Formats: sequence, C-alpha cells, structure tokens
Amino acid sequence: GAVVSQHPSRVICKSGTSVKIECRSLDFQATTMFWYRQFPKQSLMLMATSNEGSKATYEQGVEKDKFLINHASLTLSTLTVTSAHPEDSSFYICSASGGLTGELFFGEGSRLTVL
Amino acid sequence: AQRVTQPEKLLSVFKGAPVELKCNYSYSGSPELFWYVQYSRQRLQLLLRHISRESIKGFTADLNKGETSFHLKKPFAQEEDSAMYYCALIQSGGSNYKLTFGKGTLLTVNP
Repeated sequence: GAVVSQHPSRVICKSGTSVKIECRSLDFQATTMFWYRQFPKQSLMLMATSNEGSKATYEQGVEKDKFLINHASLTLSTLTVTSAHPEDSSFYICSASGGLTGELFFGEGSRLTVL
Repeated sequence: AQRVTQPEKLLSVFKGAPVELKCNYSYSGSPELFWYVQYSRQRLQLLLRHISRESIKGFTADLNKGETSFHLKKPFAQEEDSAMYYCALIQSGGSNYKLTFGKGTLLTVNP
C-alpha cells in the first residue's frame, strides 16, 4: 500500500519555541492531507484538513495561528506548532488519501513534548 | 453531529475464543463505516470498510442500520490480533475522507 511518512517521530522543545512536523506521501500524490491530535488514552481528533495550494480548513476550536499548516506540494504538508506550551504536548498524526480507492493512509505519528 | 461510540476501552479474551468489538454510531445521513487497527509500535492502518463486505484477517463487520451498529467480529481470536481498534465514520459520498473516530478498544488476546 501507499506510504505516508512523518518527521520527526519525536521532538522535545522548550516552551515558547516553534516546532515543525512534516508529513510526506512517498509514492503517491495527495491533494488532501489531514492532521490529527491524540491525547493519552483518547481518540484521534481531527485538527485540520490540508489542501494543496490553498488554505487549510480548521476544525472548530483549533487555533489557526497556533497550528500553522502549509501544503505546498502534492507530497508534503507541514504542521508548525507556534510558541509551543506544555499543553501542546501530544501525539500528532497525519493522513493522506491516495490510490484508486481513496483509502486513507496514516503516518507513524510525531510525539511532541514541550518542556 | 456525527458520533462514534466504542463502549469498551479494554477487551481481553483467550486465544481461540470469539471476539466482538462493539461500535455504535449516530449520524443523520447514510454513513460509511470503517475499522482501523493499530498494532504495537506501528501506524494506524485500515482493517476493513463496510462497503467492501470483505473479511480481513478473519475479521468481519456488518453494518446494522436499525441498531446503528458496526461491530467487529472474529470467531477465533489469535494472539497477533492484540492491538488497538478504532471504529470510524465518514459521511457517505464525501470526497475528502474526513473521519470521525471512536475512542478505541484495546484488544488483548491471551495465550
């Protein structure tokens, strides 16, 4: 199946700094990618839908200026957590739909820890 | 609003026993239902979707619109089935695959 890769898999940063997480579709083009957030022992919550060449669509309650999403190419979407705080510590997962069936493929996730 | 409910956070069975992971949904339209699985230290991956009506790794799931359920079943559980299972829903006909996930059920199959 298609592969979606996230980088970095783990990142630790100081409070107040910004962190960028990349999501790449390795063997297919993805016009749409999705970013999720998962708190411990909870489900995945959709944060935003990333559309290539246009602005991302954010879910209710997600701060656009806090979580910057850029989808500059058909194979890359980035999530930047700006001025990170400890409460932003979480597991962030991206997904992309690809192939003839439009099946969703997930990245391996990125664990962010803000000190 | 669409919602997916997985009432069991944890489910433990013995190898060879039948297993059923429950999923109920609420949605006003006609949904598409999925089961995703996440094995230890691996990424989330699609297990099956209701429109395919297929059996994957011995698992089946039938959409029951009357009961608004999409329970995942396997007649004889194997140790390698131990994983986190998520039920998910998407608006039928949607083109952007915006999924709503349940909270997940951790299945443990004991030897």
